[in-house]
Amino acid sequence: DTAVSQTPKYLVTQMGNDKSIKCEQNLGHDTMYWYKQDSKKFLKIMFSYNNKELIINETVPNRFSPKSPDKAHLNLHINSLELGDSAVYFCASSQGDIGSPLHFGNGTRLTVT
Amino acid sequence: AQKITQTQPGMFVQEKEAVTLDCTYDTSDQSYGLFWYKQPSSGEMIFLIYQGSYDEQNATEGRYSLNFQKARKSANLVISASQLGDSAMYFCAMRERETSYDKVIFGPGTSLSVIP
Repeated sequence: DTAVSQTPKYLVTQMGNDKSIKCEQNLGHDTMYWYKQDSKKFLKIMFSYNNKELIINETVPNRFSPKSPDKAHLNLHINSLELGDSAVYFCASSQGDIGSPLHFGNGTRLTVT
Repeated sequence: AQKITQTQPGMFVQEKEAVTLDCTYDTSDQSYGLFWYKQPSSGEMIFLIYQGSYDEQNATEGRYSLNFQKARKSANLVISASQLGDSAMYFCAMRERETSYDKVIFGPGTSLSVIP
C-alpha cells in the first residue's frame, strides 16, 4: 500500500509540449506539496495545498498549474515545457502540525529535449 | 538569504565509525521543527528524525541522533556505527510557521560515502 504515489516515474518530452504529473496520497493528510529537485539535488518548494486550497506558490512560472480535485490528490500540469524544466518533481503530503514529517512520493524524472 | 546551511557538500566515513553531518538554520520563529531526510541513489526521500524547537532532549532514532543546540541554531545529525547502506544524500529541513500556514524548506544536502 503506497502512501504517496505519483505517476509517471519517468517523463521524456520535447520543448513546447504540455505534460501532467499525478499524485495521490492515502494517508489522510490535509496538506500536499510539489517540490522540484534540480541537477544539483537542491529541493525547492513549488506549491502547497491545504484541503484543496492553494496555500503556497513560490514564484513558480505560471506555465505550472497545480490542481487539487480533492484533498487526496494534487496534480501538476506544465505548459510549454522548456529545457530548464528538466528535473525530478516530488509530491509530498503531511499533517498540518509542526512536528509532522513530509511523506514523499518516489519522484517523477522529467527530461525535456 | 539561505535559511538552512549544510556546509559539507561531501563527507567520507569508515564503516562502523560515527559521523556528524552539520546543519545550521535561521529563523525568527519560536516554534519550529527540524527534520533530517536521507536520499539514497535510488532517489526516494526517507524521513529519519525530527526535533522540535521546544524539545529539551535531543531526538534519537536507532543509530540516528540529533545534536540540537538551540542558541547556536544548529541541528547536527549523528550516525553511529556507519553501514555501507548509509551512503546517500542527507538533507536537513525546517518547518516554520508563517502567518497561517507553514512550509518545509530544505538545505542543499550533504553527500555521505561510507568506505568499507
